[in-house]
Amino acid sequence: QKEVEQDPGPLSVPEGAIVSLNCTYSNSAFQYFMWYRQYSRKGPELLMYTYSSGNKEDGRFTAQVDKSSKYISLFIRDSQPSDSATYLCAMASTGANNLFFGTGTRLTVIP
Amino acid sequence: DTGVSQNPRHKITKRGQNVTFRCDPISEHNRLYWYRQTLGQGPEFLTYFQNEAQLEKSRLLSDRFSAERPKGSFSTLEIQRTEQGDSAMYLCASSPPGTGVGGYTFGSGTRLTVV
Repeated sequence: QKEVEQDPGPLSVPEGAIVSLNCTYSNSAFQYFMWYRQYSRKGPELLMYTYSSGNKEDGRFTAQVDKSSKYISLFIRDSQPSDSATYLCAMASTGANNLFFGTGTRLTVIP
Repeated sequence: DTGVSQNPRHKITKRGQNVTFRCDPISEHNRLYWYRQTLGQGPEFLTYFQNEAQLEKSRLLSDRFSAERPKGSFSTLEIQRTEQGDSAMYLCASSPPGTGVGGYTFGSGTRLTVV
């Protein structure tokens, strides 16, 4: 079993829709949770960074962490065609220097 | 330029040849990381430098792989006797002191194709 599981999609939604992306994990030592966006032929770009459980909002993006269920989510409101990309969840333990990534979910927002 | 720079962007090599990639981190970043990303997968950690010291290596970093950061600035990743399974995107990231895993900035990667 991989430490981080993520549905690879692909996911297609109409412009303006609310998008929900999710990851589950097995390592209870993970304390840091991140969402990255990756455009084709580019490196990942950090979108959201959360420590431990709870919610964090930044503009149209909301990240949620439920450590009791080992489940994290990213919500995108009012999705735009420019949001079309692969979204990667990533996690790390306290004191760690490396990230564990999910496989990524490819999202397409249709105008 | 304020980003992480990686060169070359794309490398095609024949099986058995050696290849070397370069990463120039953001100037004030003392931490540097190498990851490998295969098609349809997320990045996987290879190795980590703090200044010039290589502090952590993944099991993925076989003895054919070697990474250096000789003066604590740019880094090189060399793969000897390349195999088709080495075909992947090699990503470099850097982070400033005190930010830990939340401070990564990734480069655009070097895509390696072994034929």
